[in-house]
Amino acid sequence: EPEVTQTPSHQVTQMGQEVILRCVPISNHLYFYWYRQILGQKVEFLVSFYNNEISEKSEIFDDQFSVERPDGSNFTLKIRSTKLEDSAMYFCASTVDSYNEQFFGPGTRLTVL
Amino acid sequence: GNSVTQMEGPVTLSEEAFLTINCTYTATGYPSLFWYVQYPGEGLQLLLKATKADDKGSNKGFEATYRKETTSFHLEKGSVQVSDSAVYFCASQGAQKLVFGQGTRLTINP
Repeated sequence: EPEVTQTPSHQVTQMGQEVILRCVPISNHLYFYWYRQILGQKVEFLVSFYNNEISEKSEIFDDQFSVERPDGSNFTLKIRSTKLEDSAMYFCASTVDSYNEQFFGPGTRLTVL
Repeated sequence: GNSVTQMEGPVTLSEEAFLTINCTYTATGYPSLFWYVQYPGEGLQLLLKATKADDKGSNKGFEATYRKETTSFHLEKGSVQVSDSAVYFCASQGAQKLVFGQGTRLTINP
């Protein structure tokens, strides 16, 4: 059964460093998402992406964040200059159309020291 | 904007007990509703869904009915097992993003 994959599973970085989180969505899906979950808190929407552009973003998704689909299979989230409060689990999700269920990857745990 | 409210946790039950986790939503229009489950150390898995009023989603003995009148989507299971221990998230979906509730941690004791 096709699934969303994410790498790495755990990323540790120093404050101020850039990180890139990678996701491979399900191959025939067209809509892509990033969510994050700070430890013990709810899952929060960051951004949605369709047709090679951002379709919606939350207040969390400020100028430090960017997304890209560089090669038609990967979907990346970049944080330019990480802050301590960026420490969280980041989930990628994809769906075939925007009203259908979203399929989630296993997540990348980002720890900013 | 849309929002989802779940009952406060954590919830601790004995095996074979009846489970209810309450979920209510506010939304413009008629969102699809979902329950996701997160087992320890894992990601989010879809448990069940309902896309319109009066639909009942069901999976693995869990059920939830989309109630437009009460804007609710309560999760129920008649007889829980130790393996059901996890965090459960209610979520609504409009045109794009999922909006999640705060999650309810469920622990089932043998």
